[in-house]
Amino acid sequence: DTEVTQTPKHLVMGMTNKKSLKCEQHMGHRAMYWYKQKAKKPPELMFVYSYEKLSINESVPSRFSPECPNSSLLNLHLHALQPEDSALYLCASSDRQGANYGYTFGSGTRLTVV
Amino acid sequence: AQRVTQPEKLLSVFKGAPVELKCNYSYSGSPELFWYVQYSRQRLQLLLRHISRESIKGFTADLNKGETSFHLKKPFAQEEDSAMYYCALMMYYGGSQGNLIFGKGTKLSVKP
Repeated sequence: DTEVTQTPKHLVMGMTNKKSLKCEQHMGHRAMYWYKQKAKKPPELMFVYSYEKLSINESVPSRFSPECPNSSLLNLHLHALQPEDSALYLCASSDRQGANYGYTFGSGTRLTVV
Repeated sequence: AQRVTQPEKLLSVFKGAPVELKCNYSYSGSPELFWYVQYSRQRLQLLLRHISRESIKGFTADLNKGETSFHLKKPFAQEEDSAMYYCALMMYYGGSQGNLIFGKGTKLSVKP
């Protein structure tokens, strides 16, 4: 398995809802990432997990809460989001943090906050 | 500041014409650079990395440290090359902690 799988593919949520995005990989990668991509913009890093520990938090608001239950799974818990949080949320993984052969990206979850 | 610059938002060429997508970087250390491609409604895919000096789908990219550039080239564009192309730089904080940062992207449109 050489893929990063993200679910759901699409999500519409209200500003008072609580939802979670899920990311899974079975490549034995020990670093996993959450990126946010707005329309026609490049991906922007949100969080990095290295060996299941949070390594980088790029000053992301607390309404986004990451979780890494094990080396294959990465979740992003969402609560009290704003309409401007609507975007494509990408998960990626690599053998280790900063791997120089690049990251493998999932196809993303397209989130709409209403 | 460490950054990646892609000066062209949109590049439009005819099928069979040569293509060059520009990328310049600013980085105090030894750079590790990549090209990613995002076809319409598909996931972001790694196209090239400078350390491997490979050619993928006819594309090549050479790191020029003197000009701090990593331009992506293809001698004969194909319609299926139409996509968004991102240049990316692996930025290290210290030790092995790295962060992949992206340029703003260039949309390549290859016309028949």
